[in-house]
Formats: sequence, structure tokens, C-alpha cells
Amino acid sequence: EVQLVQSGAEVKKPGATVKISCKVSGYTFTDYYMHWVQQAPGKGLEWMGLVDPEDGETIYAEKFQGRVTITADTSTDTAYMELSSLRSEDTAVYYCATDVWRDSPGGWFDPWGQGTLVTVSS
Amino acid sequence: EIVMTQSPATLSVSPGERATLSCRASQSVSSNLAWYQQKPGQAPRLLIYGASTRATGIPARFSGSGSGTEFTLTISSLQSEDFAVYYCQQYNNWPPWSFGQGTKLEIK
Repeated sequence: EVQLVQSGAEVKKPGATVKISCKVSGYTFTDYYMHWVQQAPGKGLEWMGLVDPEDGETIYAEKFQGRVTITADTSTDTAYMELSSLRSEDTAVYYCATDVWRDSPGGWFDPWGQGTLVTVSS
Repeated sequence: EIVMTQSPATLSVSPGERATLSCRASQSVSSNLAWYQQKPGQAPRLLIYGASTRATGIPARFSGSGSGTEFTLTISSLQSEDFAVYYCQQYNNWPPWSFGQGTKLEIK
């Protein structure tokens, strides 16, 4: 069974950095790109960026460029999303999701992790 | 960047009735469109890809249609478990991968 299991909820102060993990099981981690998606409370889904676990290549959304770092650890089959300079607007649930196309991005997302709530509050 | 617009924002339908949700792209995305269902406190779940292909395990009452800029998700006979928020997503022109703002399907 394919599973993406994310790390637990975080509470951070403004200006801090958060790093969320997404552990993959059930498929070869390096075969599929991993995306990260933000969902603010009561809001829709916003794509943040992706990583190619094979070589660590990344693509980031303009909105998050400069504040987000997405990485992949092939020794543990785990992807990470780090968001820095946190502000209250970053309070959201963050999801990892696998791109369906093997060895290439450009598809839809399936499956998704269970989500990680990040709360930014002083 | 392609902007996806869903309508209506909220749809009230009685169980057993048909629900029709719309999604419009700001430019053609061919048939590179997916639909997701999201229930409170849960991650999105893939329903439809390629505009009209049901994902594994998705009941036949869910159907997708359209191409280019206009898409529709139809739920033929609503069950209690279908009341949720639905999102469309284009994967034709990226980055970014873009989502609609969602349609909340509620019980009438």
C-alpha cells in the first residue's frame, strides 16, 4: 500500500522556521516527483513547489520563492518542506503529494499525505 | 499562470438528486484536468483525471466531462458521504499547478 506519512503539528513564532517531513512507503521514492501544497484555514489549495527525489532538483512557486526549501533524503525515503521567516499568514495545513508520472512532473497528485498543521502565533 | 474558477461556491442539493459542479480555465488546458474531493479534516482525494477518467475505487455516480476551458463534475445520485468540498486542478501548463477555489456541496 502506498502511504505518505507526515510529521506532526507545529506551533511557531513569527520569524521562525518550520520543517515538515513526509515519509514514503509502498513505492520507489526516487521514481516520482513530490509536491507540497498549502491550505490556509477555510481556504483552497495552493501549490508551493516540488522536488525530484532522484537528484534533488526543485521548482518553487513564485509566491514562496526565497522562503521555501524542499529536499529529499533517499536514505530514509523522506521528503522535507522548510518554510522560513514565518508570519501569521503561513498558518495552514501543509500537504505532500506524489506526482503520478514516473520520472517526470506534470501529472495530477495521488496520493496525498494526511497533512501537517502549522500555527504561527506570538 | 492559468487561473481556475469554480462555480458555484456553494451548492445545496438533496440526497438522491444530481449535482453539477463547474470549473473554468483562463486558457485551454486540453483534457489535463483533475477533480479532488476533500472532507473536513482530511486530505484531498483524487476522483477524476484526464477530465473524465475515474480514479481507482471511485463510484460510477461520479463523472467528469469537458475539455479546453470548460469542465463539469457530475454526481448522479448524491449519497450522504458525497457532501464535501470539490476542487479542480489543471496540470497542462506548469509551473504552477493551479487549483480552483473549491465548491462546497452541502445538504439541502
